[in-house]
Amino acid sequence: QSVLTQPPSASGTPGQRVTISCSGSSSNVGINPVNWYQQLPGMAPKFLIYNDNQRSSGVPDRFSASKTGTSASLAISGLRSEDEADYYCAVWDNSLPGVIFGGGTKLTVL
Amino acid sequence: QITLKESGPTLVKPTQTLTLTCSFSGFSLSDSGVGVVWIRQPPGKALEWLALIYGNDEKHYSPSLKTRLTITKDTSKNQVVLTMTNMAPVDMATYYCAHDRPGYGFGYWGQGALVTVSS
Repeated sequence: QSVLTQPPSASGTPGQRVTISCSGSSSNVGINPVNWYQQLPGMAPKFLIYNDNQRSSGVPDRFSASKTGTSASLAISGLRSEDEADYYCAVWDNSLPGVIFGGGTKLTVL
Repeated sequence: QITLKESGPTLVKPTQTLTLTCSFSGFSLSDSGVGVVWIRQPPGKALEWLALIYGNDEKHYSPSLKTRLTITKDTSKNQVVLTMTNMAPVDMATYYCAHDRPGYGFGYWGQGALVTVSS
């Protein structure tokens, strides 16, 4: 069972804005930077966001992220069909210590 | 250009030891500011972090799997090896290695290697 909680699914229509949440605790999200990864069907994960809100090189500015307290979120604006994928948050947990991933959110573009 | 590629057996028997090799290029693991991580993903399930090694040989393991895992590096060959003992059917997964830079994240991933555990 993941210590980072993500909704199992999210959906939106093309052009819409969707957000995906990632809820943690004071030993992980509350004190360490959160990263986000996108996994297209059948592919290896791709690095999207680091240090809570910094886009990795080449990631469109339609993707943004933020963090407040022990919760983080990923937002995708101007939704496109190619955004349909699984999205994972990840963070170092000082109490383990080690990296933990959220359970993943499957984004469907309707 | 940074690339990584996993290699190893596609099928192991229960109780056997799995040995996976991550061969990489485009960076050196002699720098303490660089690391290689192993992550796995059972079919249809979420990503799970397994182990991490840095250039200064600092190592970290998943607490739930720590007793079964060993991660080592061969800087001269640009390789990182992960061994997992006492394999069981629940360990069936795609195993990924990735480049890690502290304060940044897992910026580059291998294509993954599917390992089946069956007698």
